[in-house]
Amino acid sequence: DAGVIQSPRHEVTEMGQEVTLRCKPISGHNSLFWYRQTMMRGLELLIYFNNNVPIDDSGMPEDRFSAKMPNASFSTLKIQPSEPRDSAVYFCASVIATEAFFGQGTRLTVV
Amino acid sequence: GENVEQHPSTLSVQEGDSAVIKCTYSDSASNYFPWYKQELGKRPQLIIDIRSNVGEKKDQRIAVTLNKTAKHFSLHITETQPEDSAVYFCAASKAGGSYIPTFGRGTSLIVHP
Repeated sequence: DAGVIQSPRHEVTEMGQEVTLRCKPISGHNSLFWYRQTMMRGLELLIYFNNNVPIDDSGMPEDRFSAKMPNASFSTLKIQPSEPRDSAVYFCASVIATEAFFGQGTRLTVV
Repeated sequence: GENVEQHPSTLSVQEGDSAVIKCTYSDSASNYFPWYKQELGKRPQLIIDIRSNVGEKKDQRIAVTLNKTAKHFSLHITETQPEDSAVYFCAASKAGGSYIPTFGRGTSLIVHP
């Protein structure tokens, strides 16, 4: 198993552009989390899905952020329009029982 | 909701010394406390965990302690080595039902050779 796969690893985009981050969870895991990591705030939970259904998106900072999980093997986090303050590392994690397996993260830079 | 505070934010020690990272949580219903290690440029990975039915757990040079009454738990690393240098995150959650860990802000541990 290759683990949780995120793409792209790095993304540099201009302010105002749409950004889509992608995640492939580990097969058989029934929960998926999106986190944002910054120096100031650490790991912030943005949204989580259970069996492909969004359960809690209260961590999504603004309406500019949206997430989908159309099937058990794929999820996206979209930012439209992007702003410089969105620059961070975004992690996807899939969960089985009580262990969260993180992807390698996407480092987003909005200039 | 759950709130997890973690201290210190940075910790610098000499190789061979011990390191202690402390966390507090707010929700008395939390009963599962994992610790994750994130090496530079890499993903967080689970290194040890503790459940509320025990007060201490050890795994070689690392140990975790839990005080349910005070709602705090700690990570202890003995005989630190340069490869222990990383960011460590504590988390609290309820095991059973939906597992939703709330993470602390992280502690950057630097072990000087």
